[in-house]
Amino acid sequence: EVQLVESGGGLVKPGGSLRLSCAASGFTFSSYSMNWVRQAPGKGLEWVSSISSSSSYIYYADSVKGRFTISRDNAKNSLYLQMNSLRAEDTAVYYCARDRRPVTTYVVDYWGQGTLVTVSS
Amino acid sequence: DIQMTQSPSSLSASVGDRVTITCRASQGISNYLAWYQQKPGKVPKLLIYAASTLQSGVPSRFSGSGSGTDFTLTISSLQPEDVATYYCQKYNSAPVTFGQGTKVEIK
Repeated sequence: EVQLVESGGGLVKPGGSLRLSCAASGFTFSSYSMNWVRQAPGKGLEWVSSISSSSSYIYYADSVKGRFTISRDNAKNSLYLQMNSLRAEDTAVYYCARDRRPVTTYVVDYWGQGTLVTVSS
Repeated sequence: DIQMTQSPSSLSASVGDRVTITCRASQGISNYLAWYQQKPGKVPKLLIYAASTLQSGVPSRFSGSGSGTDFTLTISSLQPEDVATYYCQKYNSAPVTFGQGTKVEIK
């Protein structure tokens, strides 16, 4: 059974930093591209970032480019999102999400339960 | 960047009704279009990809069509368990964008 478990969310002040983690199990993590998708309270879905299976290809939404860094450790079956210079508009539930194919398609077939990031003074 | 516009933003229909949701891309995206369902308090679920390919396990009352800039998601016979918000997603290239969502309720 595919499982994605996020951690690392919490309350942080504007300008602060936070590192999200996602522990993957139930599939060959090193073979799949992975994504972060967020959802502000009561709002729609927003794609944040994607990373290919070998970390060769990395993409970001314009809204986070230069502030967020996606990475992965295939030996640890883990995905990360380093978030710096956080703003109030970054407040959201952040989902770790698996690409439906080993190649990067950005189409998600499995989602974690999400971790809430709140940016507030 | 390509924008995705869904219509309507919300709808209310009776059980058994045929429901259609539209998604329009600001530029052509071929068939690189997916649909997701998000039930209240739950994580999103992939319904359809490549505009019309049903994800494994998704009931056949769901169908998708379209190519280029105009796409539709159809529920042939609305069921109570279909109450949810539906999102389209374009994925031909980064940046990926979602539509703003269509909330479906039972009348």
